[in-house]
Amino acid sequence: EADIYQTPRYLVIGTGKKITLECSQTMGHDKMYWYQQDPGMELHLIHYSYGVNSTEKGDLSSESTVSRIRTEHFPLTLESARPSHTSQYLCASSGKGQPYNEQFFGPGTRLTVL
Amino acid sequence: LAKTTQPISMDSYEGQEVNITCSHNNIATNDYITWYQQFPSQGPRFIIQGYKTKVTNEVASLFIPADRKSSTLSLPRVSLSDTAVYYCLVGPRVDQGGKLIFGQGTELSVKP
Repeated sequence: EADIYQTPRYLVIGTGKKITLECSQTMGHDKMYWYQQDPGMELHLIHYSYGVNSTEKGDLSSESTVSRIRTEHFPLTLESARPSHTSQYLCASSGKGQPYNEQFFGPGTRLTVL
Repeated sequence: LAKTTQPISMDSYEGQEVNITCSHNNIATNDYITWYQQFPSQGPRFIIQGYKTKVTNEVASLFIPADRKSSTLSLPRVSLSDTAVYYCLVGPRVDQGGKLIFGQGTELSVKP
């Protein structure tokens, strides 16, 4: 069983609030990812990290930011939440070795901005 | 990145074998074929990965023809709990700079 955790699972907040979505993994994986998924729609990569102090933007433009100060922790921050940020946010990690493209996903955070 | 095409939805009955085919005509030499499963309100879960020929694990088989322009995920004797969305992904290894690109997937509905 994959050990990757996300908190909170559900979050309802008002417009303009600053929020941080937490993601932690205990597998020692060097690579971590954030995806965004609207209900019934595709997953889109918004951020990724290949190690400590390494962060890159993904294929979908996002107003969120991320940091990677510790290997196991990859938080995502929205400085000023808006209704357009309402979505499910999924964190994932992957390590070395085979299968090469196996990513372990967390349970997700469902964000609703009023 | 190779574009993939798979059926939007499929129906099956419990106990049947289900085959989901994915087309990827412009697959590159260094691309791998990976399948994920996603249940509602959960993150995707890795099912199987292959490069060529046939791969089998405890939950599925993956058939890849010699030209690698398509692949077929085979789920033996499905049950109601196999109702989910199945994604076919084609791309280079993530440890070599590749990123997973999820398309629309195939929504499999298993009926009793």
